[in-house]
Amino acid sequence: DTAVSQTPKYLVTQMGNDKSIKCEQNLGHDTMYWYKQDSKKFLKIMFSYNNKELIINETVPNRFSPKSPDKAHLNLHINSLELGDSAVYFCASSQDYAQREKLFFGSGTQLSVL
Amino acid sequence: QKEVEQDPGPLSVPEGAIVSLNCTYSNSAFQYFMWYRQYSRKGPELLMYTYSSGNKEDGRFTAQVDKSSKYISLFIRDSQPSDSATYLCAMSERAQKLVFGQGTRLTINP
Repeated sequence: DTAVSQTPKYLVTQMGNDKSIKCEQNLGHDTMYWYKQDSKKFLKIMFSYNNKELIINETVPNRFSPKSPDKAHLNLHINSLELGDSAVYFCASSQDYAQREKLFFGSGTQLSVL
Repeated sequence: QKEVEQDPGPLSVPEGAIVSLNCTYSNSAFQYFMWYRQYSRKGPELLMYTYSSGNKEDGRFTAQVDKSSKYISLFIRDSQPSDSATYLCAMSERAQKLVFGQGTRLTINP
């Protein structure tokens, strides 16, 4: 049983397209996150949702729009993709925001923008 | 200067060696210190969690935090090929976001 699963694993697309990444966790956690890992392996938080409510938005361009239909799901929609958006995007969850140091990550979505 | 500095390596050691991985940081308000392990094409997984200063041991792994020097370490004893991965340090202030290091890529050679 995968605890945090995200799809697709790989995403190759052209500049200017719109794409979505889906994430689901079956851990019963209240808090979910999107992280971006660049080519140098730096991992940076993008968004955090607690019980479907946005609590962190880290100066991410508004082309990125997260959506949380329920506390087990957090999706990421990206409009007008740019070359610089190429990275690995990780979904993560924690029991609650107070436990945010103890993150459970998905396997990542490798996004390549051509 | 980055908030968290970590040598990206790569670091290659023979099986059975003691491995020492380190991070330095500049923010004296950091209180929570973590080590995550990331296998190739996988997400990071929490390996060690420490609050404030001191040592924590879990099997072959020992995490050390020296707040006076703003320096944290992860030691791996009796290293195994299965320990080959990228190790990321992470830290945070109370009620603030996590800040990750760049990660050190480690290879244990049989």
